[in-house]
Amino acid sequence: AQTVTQSQPEMSVQEAETVTLSCTYDTSESDYYLFWYKQPPSRQMILVIRQEAYKQQNATENRFSVNFQKAAKSFSLKISDSQLGDAAMYFCAYRSEDSNYQLIWGAGTKLIIKP
Amino acid sequence: NAGVTQTPKFQVLKTGQSMTLQCAQDMNHNSMYWYRQDPGMGLRLIYYSASEGTTDKGEVPNGYNVSRLNKREFSLRLESAAPSQTSVYFCASSELPTARGEKLFFGSGTQLSVL
Repeated sequence: AQTVTQSQPEMSVQEAETVTLSCTYDTSESDYYLFWYKQPPSRQMILVIRQEAYKQQNATENRFSVNFQKAAKSFSLKISDSQLGDAAMYFCAYRSEDSNYQLIWGAGTKLIIKP
Repeated sequence: NAGVTQTPKFQVLKTGQSMTLQCAQDMNHNSMYWYRQDPGMGLRLIYYSASEGTTDKGEVPNGYNVSRLNKREFSLRLESAAPSQTSVYFCASSELPTARGEKLFFGSGTQLSVL
């Protein structure tokens, strides 16, 4: 069965600096999707970025980018120019073919932004 | 733009009581989901409905039932609440099933405590 591991329970970064959140996953599939979702204090999850495994190019959304290393099964999220509004829990998720295509979620990383 | 609306936002139950969590989406999405979120863990899928008229078990269905009332509404029922069901419950929807890497839209959650 697939698993998703976020090894950093908590990270902190100075405002305007860059931070990288780690995510690794275990799978034997070759075609899949990976996601980063943000959960602010309001609790409502919001999609930050999505990556298709067959695409070599790393996904980018404004200040958010990923470093997708397929062979290493690593999918890290880089946040540039961190802002106070980036403070949240960040969850990595994997679309699992084995689980009838449902998402497998990591335990989350709490990101603290220091002013 | 209401998106996904969940009610209630907070609920306290006594062991053995029953209740229904309501969820409605106004985005004309085909697929809807119920997740639970526990501290230190990723989201776990309880039930999902890939399309109107169908429902399927997720990872942790025991103790729950669901009804896809129509395309907009997907309710979650706890027939006899147990303390182990203390959690935050999220409803989500997507235009198409997650098999195609679809983005999920989430409600703001229901914090349920079972005493």
